[in-house]
Amino acid sequence: DQQVKQNSPSLSVQEGRISILNCDYTNSMFDYFLWYKKYPAEGPTFLISISSIKDKNEDGRFTVFLNKSAKHLSLHIVPSQPGDSAVYFCAATLNTGNQFYFGTGTSLTVIP
Amino acid sequence: EPEVTQTPSHQVTQMGQEVILRCVPISNHLYFYWYRQILGQKVEFLVSFYNNEISEKSEIFDDQFSVERPDGSNFTLKIRSTKLEDSAMYFCASRQQGAGLNQPQHFGDGTRLSIL
Repeated sequence: DQQVKQNSPSLSVQEGRISILNCDYTNSMFDYFLWYKKYPAEGPTFLISISSIKDKNEDGRFTVFLNKSAKHLSLHIVPSQPGDSAVYFCAATLNTGNQFYFGTGTSLTVIP
Repeated sequence: EPEVTQTPSHQVTQMGQEVILRCVPISNHLYFYWYRQILGQKVEFLVSFYNNEISEKSEIFDDQFSVERPDGSNFTLKIRSTKLEDSAMYFCASRQQGAGLNQPQHFGDGTRLSIL
């Protein structure tokens, strides 16, 4: 039962260009969506989130877009930097916040 | 910045033995979670805990698993009789109570559990 899916296991981008990471979900009742970044041997680190009542949230180089009709969200990183190289997980939760559903992750490599 | 700390970083245990994974959440956080990640797979929710009781648990969290907050600072996950398939990275997370869901989870660096 995979309610959150990240269909691209990996992505390579040149430094300075835009990175676009995608995520699809199946449960239309999700209220909140989050992106986490994970380096090897560390736990996930929160990056940016978006409420289901919005379609865009921006924080510096990071922007998350939500398309509820398509049940799709994306994370844009611009400009991409080598330090952005990590595994990115999208996650979603219902309004209780009791359970967060994670995707399988996308490994981003930013090439200098 | 306050952190979630997990100990040990690596635990090796014989199959059938009990194991306790320890976590110290961020001090003013009120929601606590355990997740696991089997090598190469997604991060899977195990259990959430609030107000000294389990809020929600997944199908993975069967009778072999239990959680406890024995004092004001620790949050533990116990696996009573470990199986080979319990080998995974276990992450603890905590979250501050907020008006909405805009308080994200903060994760520890995980405990790698290896069952022999």
